[in-house]
Amino acid sequence: QKEVEQNSGPLSVPEGAIASLNCTYSDRVSQSFFWYRQYSGKSPELIMSIYSNGDKEDGRFTAQLNKASQYVSLLIRDSQPSDSATYLCAVVGNFGNEKLTFGTGTRLTIIP
Amino acid sequence: KAGVTQTPRYLIKTRGQQVTLSCSPISGHRSVSWYQQTPGQGLQFLFEYFSETQRNKGNFPGRFSGRQFSNSRSEMNVSTLELGDSALYLCASSLAPTGQETQYFGPGTRLLVL
Repeated sequence: QKEVEQNSGPLSVPEGAIASLNCTYSDRVSQSFFWYRQYSGKSPELIMSIYSNGDKEDGRFTAQLNKASQYVSLLIRDSQPSDSATYLCAVVGNFGNEKLTFGTGTRLTIIP
Repeated sequence: KAGVTQTPRYLIKTRGQQVTLSCSPISGHRSVSWYQQTPGQGLQFLFEYFSETQRNKGNFPGRFSGRQFSNSRSEMNVSTLELGDSALYLCASSLAPTGQETQYFGPGTRLLVL
């Protein structure tokens, strides 16, 4: 089982709709969770961080964390063509495993 | 504030050679992490340095090594290059060791091994 799993996609969403990206992780005691966006040929940039159960909203982005289910998601409301990118889920383990482990990413395409 | 810088941006080497990549973190950041990104494996953690000490290491062979200087700049070295080492090498810096501090990525060094 991979430490961090994401559906590789591609995920196609019409402009203006909600894009939903999902991620599961295997280390039950993971402490920090991040969503990065990576445009083709560019380096990852942080979109959202979340540390406790529940929802965290920032503009059009909402991160959701469910530690009991070991599940993290990212919702993008009012999707724009500029949101087309690969979205990487990253998880930091707990004491002794404090490294950032990435999923392989979900490629999102917003269709105008 | 200037971002993370990496040099060189592109590099072509042949099998058996060695290579050194450099990373300058954001001013004030003391933690530098290195990652390898390939189409097949995605982003994989190489190692993290904090205050000149290696804090964590990923599952890479000993040919991959790194160090951090007193000004927090970091270098990574790959010896005896193999074709499979062709990848985008990314470094990321943060204020404190990996945990709840955000990591900011540099533009990467694209290495091609022929």
